[in-house]
Amino acid sequence: GENVEQHPSTLSVQEGDSAVIKCTYSDSASNYFPWYKQELGKRPQLIIDIRSNVGEKKDQRIAVTLNKTAKHFSLHITETQPEDSAVYFCAAKPNFGNEKLTFGTGTRLTIIP
Amino acid sequence: DSGVTQTPKHLITATGQRVTLRCSPRSGDLSVYWYQQSLDQGLQFLIHYYNGEERAKGNILERFSAQQFPDLHSELNLSSLELGDSALYFCASSPQGQGKHTQYFGPGTRLTVL
Repeated sequence: GENVEQHPSTLSVQEGDSAVIKCTYSDSASNYFPWYKQELGKRPQLIIDIRSNVGEKKDQRIAVTLNKTAKHFSLHITETQPEDSAVYFCAAKPNFGNEKLTFGTGTRLTIIP
Repeated sequence: DSGVTQTPKHLITATGQRVTLRCSPRSGDLSVYWYQQSLDQGLQFLIHYYNGEERAKGNILERFSAQQFPDLHSELNLSSLELGDSALYFCASSPQGQGKHTQYFGPGTRLTVL
């Protein structure tokens, strides 16, 4: 089955700086890669996703890059703000059958004012 | 608001008891997924239902069971509860067609076993 590794587990950045979170996956059949943001005690919220036919996707201050050859994908947050502080989860899923979404272990991002 | 609802928000019970958690998916979504999230842990997949049928199982204990009803709401039943079952339980739903991989999470049920 799929295995997703996520690094780092914690990340602190100064407000205004960029943050990068990296994930690797094991199953070459995976081709859907979402990122979720979870604030304390709240539900995970989808913030961006990418499919394998695309190498990069941007949405305002958030971008995701995908390297299918190396089986890794990354989340980039630019011009970080205090409200970006949360736990971020990456995930991967094959595009067939009933294969489940496999989540990484999460990164706790803290933005220092 | 994702459109996925879960009840109750909080549940406090004793070891050995049985509880039922309820989830209503977004309108039109046929798939429901259940996840367990223990304190400061990741999201552990429990089970997936599609249009009333079980489609995939994760690390779900035998003491846990689930079902999806004809109106597409789902219930997760947890029995013989242990202290270690204390966690946040999320359900998620996903649409058909183009966006079928995207999962939208409900607000969760926080279960505390004393």
